[in-house]
Amino acid sequence: KNQVEQSPQSLIILEGKNCTLQCNYTVSPFSNLRWYKQDTGRGPVSLTIMTFSENTKSNGRYTATLDADTKQSSLHITASQLSDSASYICVVSPRGDYKLSFGAGTTVTVRA
Amino acid sequence: DAGVIQSPRHEVTEMGQEVTLRCKPISGHDYLFWYRQTMMRGLELLIYFNNNVPIDDSGMPEDRFSAKMPNASFSTLKIQPSEPRDSAVYFCASSLVPGTMNTEAFFGQGTRLTVV
Repeated sequence: KNQVEQSPQSLIILEGKNCTLQCNYTVSPFSNLRWYKQDTGRGPVSLTIMTFSENTKSNGRYTATLDADTKQSSLHITASQLSDSASYICVVSPRGDYKLSFGAGTTVTVRA
Repeated sequence: DAGVIQSPRHEVTEMGQEVTLRCKPISGHDYLFWYRQTMMRGLELLIYFNNNVPIDDSGMPEDRFSAKMPNASFSTLKIQPSEPRDSAVYFCASSLVPGTMNTEAFFGQGTRLTVV
């Protein structure tokens, strides 16, 4: 069973609207959690990183939250732009291990 | 630094042929990872190296897959013989000390492999 589950699998939003992506994980012990953005035909690029002691982290219009008690994270995109169309992948680093656990990703499509 | 460089970007080959994917990590990064990405399974770790030494190859699907890192600036992933189910995007990534706060895995552009 995958230790990182993301939802929804995909979503379509209109330009200028907000959206929130979810990530639930079971990885334990836990070191940090990253959200990656993967544009079509490109490799993933890190957006945010949080440790278990952090609740929120922002990167421009992207805001990630983390609840280490419930093992849930979210990525909020504010005032979406066409360039936000991509796959967003939740990645969890276990403590003491270099094997990252990847979610399946959420594909976001922003339409004009 | 130009980032992680992979070649070729696209590869189409016939079943049974040997395929070699290449990767140049970011200079100074001690860790190199090979991943495979498919629609069905997402990103999967195949193998990773530390200081050119293979540390964990438990993700390599079969003996048909092999990886080498002859020096700090070059790695190859070889599939021999290739099969249609190997069709996927193969990513190489490198990092300093992975899994820590101040280092991330930097990914290459990937090689899209199609085996017909």
